[in-house]
Amino acid sequence: IAGITQAPTSQILAAGRRMTLRCTQDMRHNAMYWYRQDLGLGLRLIHYSNTAGTTGKGEVPDGYSVSRANTDDFPLTLASAVPSQTSVYFCASRPYSANTGELFFGEGSRLTVL
Amino acid sequence: GESVGLHLPTLSVQEGDNSIINCAYSNSASDYFIWYKQESGKGPQFIIDIRSNMDKRQGQRVTVLLNKTVKHLSLQIAATQPGDSAVYFCAENPTTSGTYKYIFGTGTRLKVLA
Repeated sequence: IAGITQAPTSQILAAGRRMTLRCTQDMRHNAMYWYRQDLGLGLRLIHYSNTAGTTGKGEVPDGYSVSRANTDDFPLTLASAVPSQTSVYFCASRPYSANTGELFFGEGSRLTVL
Repeated sequence: GESVGLHLPTLSVQEGDNSIINCAYSNSASDYFIWYKQESGKGPQFIIDIRSNMDKRQGQRVTVLLNKTVKHLSLQIAATQPGDSAVYFCAENPTTSGTYKYIFGTGTRLKVLA
């Protein structure tokens, strides 16, 4: 079934460790996004990419980096994890020129930083 | 700054009744307004969107109303069913130089009472 695959589903991480959350889509969508979801704060945009080879900062980019080497993959890296990065992370995508506002979301990666 | 908010954090509705979930937005330069449904442990799922040049759009059992004068968005669910129990998010898509960076509200939990 086409869609977005995120990995890992869940991870417990010691503070200071490096972590990469993986996101792969097979829909050939141009634009991809990383959001974090925290209770009471909704979904907040971390980084985005409108097309392969380009990235941009969202609302809460500090402590995170992304790369977009090809259309399908959009990994999110925490260089040195801190407890405040405990959250549920969602990857999303959409066709750049689509005549719709729809974003397609993955099932999320739950990260706990101790 | 930009923000998208919701009037009610929790809404309890009797099964079979209609539900109305409200949302206020602050950014007038958005071309899409979108509603998402999120069930526990899953990623957000697109319900319906509406373009900024429209006032109303209907889907299957759902209607979205957009009042640009007061910057208000609402989602109406007809004949609410137990499967409608979830958290509902509104989102807007401010368009700045062609960059699509969706902004989400904090969410409203809909509880359907048997």
